[in-house]
Amino acid sequence: AQSVTQLDSQVPVFEEAPVELRCNYSSSVSVYLFWYVQYPNQGLQLLLKYLSGSTLVKGINGFEAEFNKSQTSFHLRKPSVHISDTAEYFCAVTENFGNEKLTFGTGTRLTIIP
Amino acid sequence: GAGVSQSPSNKVTEKGKDVELRCDPISGHTALYWYRQRLGQGLEFLIYFQGNSAPDKSGLPSDRFSAERTGESVSTLTIQRTQQEDSAVYLCASSLLGRNRIRYEQYFGPGTRLTVT
Repeated sequence: AQSVTQLDSQVPVFEEAPVELRCNYSSSVSVYLFWYVQYPNQGLQLLLKYLSGSTLVKGINGFEAEFNKSQTSFHLRKPSVHISDTAEYFCAVTENFGNEKLTFGTGTRLTIIP
Repeated sequence: GAGVSQSPSNKVTEKGKDVELRCDPISGHTALYWYRQRLGQGLEFLIYFQGNSAPDKSGLPSDRFSAERTGESVSTLTIQRTQQEDSAVYLCASSLLGRNRIRYEQYFGPGTRLTVT
């Protein structure tokens, strides 16, 4: 069975500062990895995904994430955050072969301090 | 184009009543998923449809929960005899199923907020 851990439930960051949101996963097989963002009162939107190939993936709004197989991590980073980045961020995993469901972490609430 | 839509956006019901939640996937998306998001928690998988069959119902929490899908379009999630612990946001997502079983990203609807009083 697969699982996702987001250790930080809340992360406050000053505007224009860098941020890293941590995600670790557990699976017995190869996985696809995703970061979704949920802005206040809106649905989930895909930020970026890792399917294969380069371990550094770039997404929308200046976010990027790095897949580290040995550490089973997929941390999300942005070099300089803006007020508009205030949202809940979810890491998710699905297995390569046959398993359709996404398993989500519990989310990290990113709050940008002006 | 149009995204995934869900109705109603909000539903308040009394304990013990039945409710139906509707999901309209993106046109042409063969796969459809239901998830539940309880307050302060991540999303929990409920059920997955490929066409109108449901290969994975493993996330349905009890036999009070059921879902159906008409062809490759609308899906309905039904909760019978609702309980207070059913209060949550119910999210629907859809995706394409490509060749060689390649999956594509899931696109989510805005959700239905269910409150059981």
